[in-house]
Amino acid sequence: EIVLTQSPGTLSLSPGERATLSCRASQSVSSSYLAWYQQKPGQAPRLLIYGASSRATGIPDRFSGSGSGTDFTLTISRLEPEDFAVYYCQQYGSSPRTFGPGTKVDIK
Amino acid sequence: QVQLQESGPGLVKPSGTLSLTCAVSGGSISSSNWWSWVRQPPGKGLEWIGEIYHSGSTNYNPSLKSRVTISVDKSKNQFSLKLSSVTAADTAVYYCAGTYYDILTGYEAGFDPWGQGTLVTVSS
Repeated sequence: EIVLTQSPGTLSLSPGERATLSCRASQSVSSSYLAWYQQKPGQAPRLLIYGASSRATGIPDRFSGSGSGTDFTLTISRLEPEDFAVYYCQQYGSSPRTFGPGTKVDIK
Repeated sequence: QVQLQESGPGLVKPSGTLSLTCAVSGGSISSSNWWSWVRQPPGKGLEWIGEIYHSGSTNYNPSLKSRVTISVDKSKNQFSLKLSSVTAADTAVYYCAGTYYDILTGYEAGFDPWGQGTLVTVSS
């Protein structure tokens, strides 16, 4: 099973600032099958990034993903008020599919 | 576009069986290769439970495999989850999700869409 670790646990930033979230895998993620999701309270997760760096349909270009192998990054170039949420990474290249523990981005 | 809706009892007794159904609307259940169940205990992270191919093949999380059964009913355009011998640790919001595919490559691309989720509480 591939274990995903996310850092930091919480990121306190102001609107307009840049957010950099990290996801590290315990072993190489097959074909960069790494996704990022955003989740707000009381809502289902929302797919942001897949294949480590491709934006899902309708996702603003302030969200970008990078990385390969075991190290991946989600960057939000300029935080908008609606971006304050919890972000999860997920690997879907092997079974069991696994999620990271999440990074909470809150308002400073 | 495809939408998912979970349904089932919100309260299950300890040692009982949790049963949920995910109805697929706006498209055929055969349009996506894999359909998954994911759960989230209150205040905690996401856990993948398992998945089913529209033909009926399944993959389960080894941590739950002995207690989980996922099935599909193509005639009703829905798939279901059964989790047996439940305890309080199984209290969670349960989501169903479909597989998203990259339009250009056709490769799997994570989970989308998701249902709204349904809270199941295990308590006597």
